[in-house]
Amino acid sequence: QVQLVQSGSELKKPGASVKVSCKTSGYTFTTYAMNWVRQAPGQGLEWMGWINTNTGNPTYAQGFTGRFVFSLDTSVRTAYLQISSLKAEDSAVYYCAREYDFSLGMDVWGQGTTVTVSS
Amino acid sequence: QSVLTQPPSASGTPGQRVTISCSGSSSNIGSYTVNWYQQLPGTAPHLLIYNNNQRPSGVPDRFSGSKSGTSASLAISGLQSEDEADYYCAAWDDSVNGPVFGGGTELTVL
Repeated sequence: QVQLVQSGSELKKPGASVKVSCKTSGYTFTTYAMNWVRQAPGQGLEWMGWINTNTGNPTYAQGFTGRFVFSLDTSVRTAYLQISSLKAEDSAVYYCAREYDFSLGMDVWGQGTTVTVSS
Repeated sequence: QSVLTQPPSASGTPGQRVTISCSGSSSNIGSYTVNWYQQLPGTAPHLLIYNNNQRPSGVPDRFSGSKSGTSASLAISGLQSEDEADYYCAAWDDSVNGPVFGGGTELTVL
C-alpha cells in the first residue's frame, strides 16, 4: 500500500539545523509531487511549498525561503526538508504529503515529524 | 490570519447534519476547486473531499462538499462521535501561486 513514513521527533537548540526525511513506498515516486506542510502547536495547516520529484525543482511559499530546503534522493524514494539556523518559532509538526494535481488533493500524508527548538 | 475563512468551531448531536463554511475570494475559491481535509486528534490530516465534491474511496457518503462563487461548504450528515476532528478547506490561490488553507474548524459532537 502507499505509505509516506517520516523520520522521528527532533529536539534542537536555536541556531542548529535539522533534516526531516519522508520515505515513500507503494507507488512510482516520480509520478507525484511532494508538498511540505507545517502545523505550529495548536495552530492550523500552512503550506510550505513543494518539490517536483521528476526534476528536483523546489518551489517555496512566502515565508519559507532562505532557511528551508527541499531535496530528494530518488534512489531511495525519499524527500527531505532541511531547516537551518533554527529558531524557537520553527517548533512545529512538519508533514510531507504527495499530490498528483491540486484538484485531486494531497491524497496521502506522512505521519508528521515534531521539531522542537529549545535551549 | 488565513486567506480562507472558516468558523473556528462547530457542533452537533449524534445523527444531526452539520455544515462548515469556507469563504474566500476570486483569486482562490472563485477560480479554483476546493479540497477538504479531516484531522482527527493527534493524527495527520487526510483527504476528505477533492475537486469540490468528490470523495476518495473509503470516505463515507455522509460527507459531501459543495462550492458556489467564492465560498464552499462541507456537510456531514448522520453525525457520529468519531467525526470529532478539525476540518480544513484548501484552494489554489493566484497570489500565493500555491494552495492556501482555511484556519480550520473544530467539530464537537455533543
